[in-house]
Amino acid sequence: AQTVTQSQPEMSVQEAETVTLSCTYDTSESDYYLFWYKQPPSRQMILVIRQEAYKQQNATENRFSVNFQKAAKSFSLKISDSQLGDAAMYFCAYRSAKYSGAGSYQLTFGKGTKLSVIP
Amino acid sequence: GAGVSQSPSNKVTEKGKDVELRCDPISGHTALYWYRQRLGQGLEFLIYFQGNSAPDKSGLPSDRFSAERTGESVSTLTIQRTQQEDSAVYLCASSLITSSAQYFGPGTRLTVL
Repeated sequence: AQTVTQSQPEMSVQEAETVTLSCTYDTSESDYYLFWYKQPPSRQMILVIRQEAYKQQNATENRFSVNFQKAAKSFSLKISDSQLGDAAMYFCAYRSAKYSGAGSYQLTFGKGTKLSVIP
Repeated sequence: GAGVSQSPSNKVTEKGKDVELRCDPISGHTALYWYRQRLGQGLEFLIYFQGNSAPDKSGLPSDRFSAERTGESVSTLTIQRTQQEDSAVYLCASSLITSSAQYFGPGTRLTVL
């Protein structure tokens, strides 16, 4: 079974600064997807960024970018020019790329990192 | 277009009662997922639908939990004889089968007294 670990329960960043959230995962699969989701107090889970494991190039979405290290099974999220609206819980998630029975298509989540943005 | 919607937004019930939670996925999304999020925790997978069939029910915690989907659209999650440990936010997500990204609804907060 796959596991996802987020070792930072809470982080804070000064507005306009850069912050990096850590995520590691454990899997025996070679083909999979990784995601970062944001959950503000409204509790809506919002997709921030995704990475296909077969792609070596790190994904970027505006101020959000990832550092994907497949051999190290590490998938960190960097938020540049932090804004007050970035304050939220951030969840790292894993999903298999191939169907191989029960559990294949589910997202496996870490426990989350609470990000505070200081004005 | 419209995102995933869920109703009710909040539900308070008494222990032992049955509840139904509804999910309307994004139009055209054939895959639908239910997750549970306990307070301060990450999400736990419950069940996955492909069309109207559920090939993966591995996350349902007990036989008190069931779900159905009709017309490759709306899904209903039913919890019978609710217990206090069922209190959580229940989140629904949908995706195109060819896409890996799951898009979530706002969730239903269930409180069992």
